[in-house]
Amino acid sequence: GAVVSQHPSWVICKSGTSVKIECRSLDFQATTMFWYRQFPKQSLMLMATSNEGSKATYEQGVEKDKFLINHASLTLSTLTVTSAHPEDSSFYICSATPNSAGGAYEQYFGPGTRLTVT
Amino acid sequence: AQSVTQLDSQVPVFEEAPVELRCNYSSSVSVYLFWYVQYPNQGLQLLLKYLSGSTLVKGINGFEAEFNKSQTSFHLRKPSVHISDTAEYFCAVSEGDGNKLVFGAGTILRVKS
Repeated sequence: GAVVSQHPSWVICKSGTSVKIECRSLDFQATTMFWYRQFPKQSLMLMATSNEGSKATYEQGVEKDKFLINHASLTLSTLTVTSAHPEDSSFYICSATPNSAGGAYEQYFGPGTRLTVT
Repeated sequence: AQSVTQLDSQVPVFEEAPVELRCNYSSSVSVYLFWYVQYPNQGLQLLLKYLSGSTLVKGINGFEAEFNKSQTSFHLRKPSVHISDTAEYFCAVSEGDGNKLVFGAGTILRVKS
């Protein structure tokens, strides 16, 4: 149980275009979903926290107009990288927290999406 | 603010040898501690977590970690490693409701035959 999927697993786009990445909790409802960014050989950096039906909370330094997050349902959150540039190339990972009371400390991670902007 | 330090960026070890991956954290409040493993081009998988209670925590794949509050450490250990344990290991900490995770820089464990 507690499987999180991401789509696509990898994407190449041209500079100036927008890319949407989906994060789905397959067998549980997720109150909260998180979006992380991981540069090569570096750790995960939290970009934003999204709760179903409300606006995402962005970490300091993350441009909310560039990284649009929509958490439309309890099983789906999307991250749209708008007007992508080569410096946005990275590995994007989402995680989800179950609704259950004891689940506040569990984050289940998706397999990640590798974005390359040319 | 919280921070996590993983002192070793890479740890090479021979198969069947014991291993310890070090993790220290800084926080002004009580914390919850986690170890995750990441295989190449994959997401993170939870190895183990400390929320409260016994300071020795056992996880999957034969790993265990010990929470030491006085030394603000949460080192990960395995008595005998396998080739399949080769991966990157991340220590993470959260405060309060345990939702936001702060990750260390990661330690690459390379198991050699």
